[in-house]
Amino acid sequence: DIQVTQSPSSLSASVGDRITITCRASQAIDNYLNWYQQEPGKVPKLLIYAASSLHSGVPSRFSGSGSGTDFTLTISSLQPEDFATYYCQQSYSPPFTFGPGTKVHIK
Amino acid sequence: QVQLVQSGAEVKKPGSSVRVSCEASGDSFTRYIVNWVRQAPGQGLEWMGRIIPMFGTSNYAQKFQGRVMIIADKSTNTAYMELSSLTSQDTAVYYCARGDMSWDYMDLWGKGTTVTVSS
Repeated sequence: DIQVTQSPSSLSASVGDRITITCRASQAIDNYLNWYQQEPGKVPKLLIYAASSLHSGVPSRFSGSGSGTDFTLTISSLQPEDFATYYCQQSYSPPFTFGPGTKVHIK
Repeated sequence: QVQLVQSGAEVKKPGSSVRVSCEASGDSFTRYIVNWVRQAPGQGLEWMGRIIPMFGTSNYAQKFQGRVMIIADKSTNTAYMELSSLTSQDTAVYYCARGDMSWDYMDLWGKGTTVTVSS
C-alpha cells in the first residue's frame, strides 16, 4: 500500500497569512494527489484534484503543486473560513490512502 | 441538483453487522465510482473501499478485507456498504463519496451515517 504523510500536523496562523502544507507519498504517484478540507463537524470538501486542478467553486487563494512523491497545498491569504483540517489523498492505486491531516488554527 | 442521500444512524451490538445505504438522487451513478470512507471520533479519514457500478467491480482496503462488502443496485441508483463482526473500534461516521472515473478524486460526499457499536 502507498503511505501518505503530511506536515505539519498542525499550524497556527493569522488571517491574511500565506500557508503551505506538504504531503509526501511513499512511492511515485504521478499527479494522482487530491486535497480536501474538513471544517469541524462538517463533511469533507474537495479543494484540489490531480495535484494542481482547482475544483469548481473553490476560491483561487487555494493552489496545489507537485508531482511524483512531493506535493504542496498553499493558501495565499488565509480567511476566517479556512480554519479547518486539510487532508491529502493519493488516488494512484487502491487503497486510496489519506494523509493524517493538518489542522490549521487561529493564532 | 445531485445529492448522495445516506441512511440514518445505527446502534449495533459487538459481533453484529451493519448495512449503510447511499442513494444518488438527481443523477445516474453508473457514470461514477462510489467510495466509502469512515472517520472515527476525533480521527482522520480512512478509505474503506469502492465500487464501480458500471462494471460491478469492487476494491477494498486490506484492513477490511473479508469483513466489508460494497454492492450497487443500478436500478435504484443505490450503493450499500455492509460491515460485519463489528467491534467498538468500528464506531465512526461512514461517508459515501462519488469518485471520478479518470482521476478517482471524490467530489461529492454524502452527509455521513453515524454507526455506534456498543454493548
